[in-house]
Amino acid sequence: KAGVTQTPRYLIKTRGQQVTLSCSPISGHRSVSWYQQTPGQGLQFLFEYFSETQRNKGNFPGRFSGRQFSNSRSEMNVSTLELGDSALYLCASSPGQRNEKLFFGSGTQLSVL
Amino acid sequence: ELKVEQNPLFLSMQEGKNYTIYCNYSTTSDRLYWYRQDPGKSLESLFVLLSNGAVKQEGRLMASLDTKARLSTLHITAAVHDLSATYFCAVVTIKAAGNKLTFGGGTRVLVKP
Repeated sequence: KAGVTQTPRYLIKTRGQQVTLSCSPISGHRSVSWYQQTPGQGLQFLFEYFSETQRNKGNFPGRFSGRQFSNSRSEMNVSTLELGDSALYLCASSPGQRNEKLFFGSGTQLSVL
Repeated sequence: ELKVEQNPLFLSMQEGKNYTIYCNYSTTSDRLYWYRQDPGKSLESLFVLLSNGAVKQEGRLMASLDTKARLSTLHITAAVHDLSATYFCAVVTIKAAGNKLTFGGGTRVLVKP
């Protein structure tokens, strides 16, 4: 069974640009969550989608947005990039119920110059 | 607001000895996760603990949960070099729908011969 796939693996952007990251969950999984990992702030929750609806949202500015498609694939978008957005962005998938294991992808390493 | 604290932040281990990592959290939870992360890699799920008194073991790692004390421990028995990694605990609040995880700051483990 294929794992969680995130593309691209690495991305370099400049300040002010926007970026879209993609996450394909494990087949059959309906929940996709996104996390930002930085050396200073650690792992922080961005948002979670379940059946194309945002179910949870973290404390990030509106420049961070996401969506989920009918096949459960998810994208997150960051507009007007800032230097502080440089981070590893991790996606996690799960079947969607509580009390379950979450499976993480390899992440997208975003560098903003 | 849920806060999750891990200690120590860094643990230098000698091979063959036993060590414990602590994870404290601030509000009632019904799910606690332990993850392992190797440098430049994603998060690997180790344990999901769901109830008070839960204990899970895999190889040299054993995790336990005390929901009354809001404390989980990850015990490492007879440390070996392969266990060098960063270990994270993560908690889901009991009232939360879905899978919004709040992570601790991580414990960097280095096992020396």
